[in-house]
Amino acid sequence: GEDVEQSLFLSVREGDSSVINCTYTDSSSTYLYWYKQEPGAGLQLLTYIFSNMDMKQDQRLTVLLNKKDKHLSLRIADTQTGDSAIYFCAERPTGFQKLVFGTGTRLLVSP
Amino acid sequence: GAVVSQHPSWVICKSGTSVKIECRSLDFQATTMFWYRQFPKQSLMLMATSNEGSKATYEQGVEKDKFLINHASLTLSTLTVTSAHPEDSSFYICSASLGTSDSYNEQFFGPGTRLTVL
Repeated sequence: GEDVEQSLFLSVREGDSSVINCTYTDSSSTYLYWYKQEPGAGLQLLTYIFSNMDMKQDQRLTVLLNKKDKHLSLRIADTQTGDSAIYFCAERPTGFQKLVFGTGTRLLVSP
Repeated sequence: GAVVSQHPSWVICKSGTSVKIECRSLDFQATTMFWYRQFPKQSLMLMATSNEGSKATYEQGVEKDKFLINHASLTLSTLTVTSAHPEDSSFYICSASLGTSDSYNEQFFGPGTRLTVL
């Protein structure tokens, strides 16, 4: 089955690093994604990782994938107040176009 | 590029009426569009997947006769909430993609439509 879990809330100070964690259950997922949603808005794709990769870095964002434990994380370096939003991880099971979203993590960055 | 719009951005209607929400891909042709529903402070739940020119595929538990989806062209999909009730109040988000299930297939999301049924 498909089930994606995230911690609900994370609070950090500006300039610190943020780490948002995600666990998933479908080991056949080909791609895993991180999306950002600001209040009252749609989703913005931040980054994605292919299932045969362990790590992907894109500027301030680092994605780590542990396939054995079905664990995905997103690290945001030098977190800014503009990073405050809800972050969703999502998996795309093999052979499907649909995405299965996690529960979302609300990140609050304080000055 | 890859902009998806939704119209209206918010709508208030009376119980028992029907509401149509449009989703448009503005600068690309979308072979597939998706409709999601998001409750306050919760995740997105996929309602249905629609491919241009064919019937939508609904997720388990989603009433086909209640949520009518039409994907008449490669740039437009509509979701009609029929005989709306207060429990249908939610944030509806569409997305569009142009890839296939065997390749990287980014979904581009619309800004969402907030539906309030009185």
